[in-house]
Amino acid sequence: AQKITQTQPGMFVQEKEAVTLDCTYDTSDPSYGLFWYKQPSSGEMIFLIYQGSYDQQNATEGRYSLNFQKARKSANLVISASQLGDSAMYFCAMREVNGANSKLTFGKGITLSVRP
Amino acid sequence: DGGITQSPKYLFRKEGQNVTLSCEQNLNHDAMYWYRQDPGQGLRLIYYSQIVNDFQKGDIAEGYSVSREKKESFPLTVTSAQKNPTAFYLCASASGAARWGEAFFGQGTRLTVV
Repeated sequence: AQKITQTQPGMFVQEKEAVTLDCTYDTSDPSYGLFWYKQPSSGEMIFLIYQGSYDQQNATEGRYSLNFQKARKSANLVISASQLGDSAMYFCAMREVNGANSKLTFGKGITLSVRP
Repeated sequence: DGGITQSPKYLFRKEGQNVTLSCEQNLNHDAMYWYRQDPGQGLRLIYYSQIVNDFQKGDIAEGYSVSREKKESFPLTVTSAQKNPTAFYLCASASGAARWGEAFFGQGTRLTVV
């Protein structure tokens, strides 16, 4: 079974509007971390936001917020006031303990296009 | 400056050859990871390591090998057994499992079989 599921096809949003990118995850560990990364066409991976499984409040970083619904195992990224520079691929990831190791698994990503 | 460095940026390999991709970090991170990314696709985990001289297979380890002789270094060898090695390879590092910090990525190596 997939650990991280991102099923939305390419997403489009109008500049200055908000957009939500969906992510569901699957783990039986009580302790884990959830991440979102942005990958522009240059290929670099840019960290956006992190949510710990024990965090009581949803994480926020500037225009980015993470809508964490633990019971539903979802960790959706909300981008407010979209900008043209937000056009990129977005990846959801989960880090979980695997014995003495920590495994970091990514979803397949969502392409976001911001329209002027 | 602290960071994670991958080299080379571009690599061309003839069929049947082994090639090694370099990944070095000076962040004092325990965990290191190798991923493969195909065009328009997500990142698939090849190998990961938490401590020196120990590493684990990820989801697509066949045709690849790694070593972790030093904390700072985690080279990936793409062997001739890897049938379709042309892809973008990304290395990442992260702090120990006790602290769920972000993973830092290198700039990637684009490998092409010619």
